[in-house]
Amino acid sequence: KAGVTQTPRYLIKTRGQQVTLSCSPISGHRSVSWYQQTPGQGLQFLFEYFSETQRNKGNFPGRFSGRQFSNSRSEMNVSTLELGDSALYLCASSLTAEQFFGPGTRLTVL
Amino acid sequence: ILNVEQSPQSLHVQEGDSTNFTCSFPSSNFYALHWYRWETAKSPEALFVMTLNGDEKKKGRISATLNTKEGYSYLYIKGSQPEDSATYLCACNQGAQKLVFGQGTRLTINP
Repeated sequence: KAGVTQTPRYLIKTRGQQVTLSCSPISGHRSVSWYQQTPGQGLQFLFEYFSETQRNKGNFPGRFSGRQFSNSRSEMNVSTLELGDSALYLCASSLTAEQFFGPGTRLTVL
Repeated sequence: ILNVEQSPQSLHVQEGDSTNFTCSFPSSNFYALHWYRWETAKSPEALFVMTLNGDEKKKGRISATLNTKEGYSYLYIKGSQPEDSATYLCACNQGAQKLVFGQGTRLTINP
């Protein structure tokens, strides 16, 4: 059974640009959650999608948005990038309480 | 705001020794407690999900206990091996799929 995949794995952008990250969940999983990991903050919850609807949202500015498609694949978008957005972005899919994480996308903002 | 704390932040253990670390969380509105192992350059790997007070779970040499009344969970590793070196994260649910993570315990096993 294929695991959670994320693309791209690495990304370099400059301030002010926007970026879209993609997450393909484990087949059959309808819930996809996104997390940001920075050295000082640890893993922080961004949002969760279930059946194409945002079900939970963390405390991040409106520049962070996401969506989910009918095949459960999810995308996360960050507009007007700031230096502080440099982080590892992880997505996780789940069928029940247990969440399965992807390898993450390392975003560097210059 | 849910606050999850882990201690210690880092730990160095000799190969063959046993070790344990702690996760503390607010006992009110508890839903579930998760333990993950995160090795460098890999995805976080789920170890346990626990929901009931007094739960004890075991996977090989690793086990965990849960006390929801006092708001803590212990993770135990028996007979540490070099492959146990990783960061161990605990997380609590704040809402069904919204996990709040602790800062993690970085474990290094010295051969």
